[in-house]
Amino acid sequence: AQSVAQPEDQVNVAEGNPLTVKCTYSVSGNPYLFWYVQYPNRGLQFLLKYITGDNLVKGSYGFEAEFNKSQTSFHLKKPSALVSDSALYFCAVRDMSSGGGADGLTFGKGTHLIIQP
Amino acid sequence: EAGVTQSPTHLIKTRGQQATLRCSPISGHTSVYWYQQALGLGLQFLLWYDEGEERNRGNFPPRFSGRQFPNYSSELNVNALELEDSALYLCASSLGFMPGELFFGEGSRLTVL
Repeated sequence: AQSVAQPEDQVNVAEGNPLTVKCTYSVSGNPYLFWYVQYPNRGLQFLLKYITGDNLVKGSYGFEAEFNKSQTSFHLKKPSALVSDSALYFCAVRDMSSGGGADGLTFGKGTHLIIQP
Repeated sequence: EAGVTQSPTHLIKTRGQQATLRCSPISGHTSVYWYQQALGLGLQFLLWYDEGEERNRGNFPPRFSGRQFPNYSSELNVNALELEDSALYLCASSLGFMPGELFFGEGSRLTVL
C-alpha cells in the first residue's frame, strides 16, 4: 500500500523568507510525486510533478520540489514567500508500477501555509 | 480554453434526500474523477470514469454512484443522504490513462441538514 505524510498541519513564514512544506511518502516501487495547491473555496491546482530524471523539479509560481529517494521525501520549497502563497498545499503519490489512472493517486491531508506580511 | 466546470456550486439537502452533482471536463479529456473533501479528512477518491465506463471506485458505500455521458461529462449521485456526506465534492479530469496532473473544478459544496 502507498501512503503520503504531511507532518505539519500548518506552516507560518514571514513574507520574503524561504519556505518549505514537507512531504514523505511510501510506495512499494518507484513513485510519481505531485504537489497541488488549494486556495480558499477553490478546487486544487497542479503545481509540479516528479516522474523521473532531475531530482529538483521546478513548477508554477516559483515553487520547486526536491525528490530525495533515500529519505523518501518530496519537500516543496520557494526561495522567497509571498502573502499570496497562503493556501492549502497537498502532496500526492502513486506507484509507477500500478496500472490505471489517477485513481491510484494518494493525497496527503494537506498543510496550511500562512505567509505573514 | 474552458477548465473543468461543476454545478451546482452549493447544494443544501436534508437527510434521506438525493443529491446530483454535475461535472464537465476540459475539452479532449476522457477521464473524470470524483473526490470527496470532508473537513479534516483530506481528499478521498470516490469514482473514476473513462470513455463512459466506471474504471474504479473508492471505499464508499453503493449509495454513491455516477455515470459518464458520451460527451465525457459526468454526474455524481448520492442517495439516502446522511449528515456525514456534507463535504466539498471535487471533480477532476485528465487525458485518459496518463498518470499526469489532474485538472480540478472548483467543487460543489453539499450540506446535509
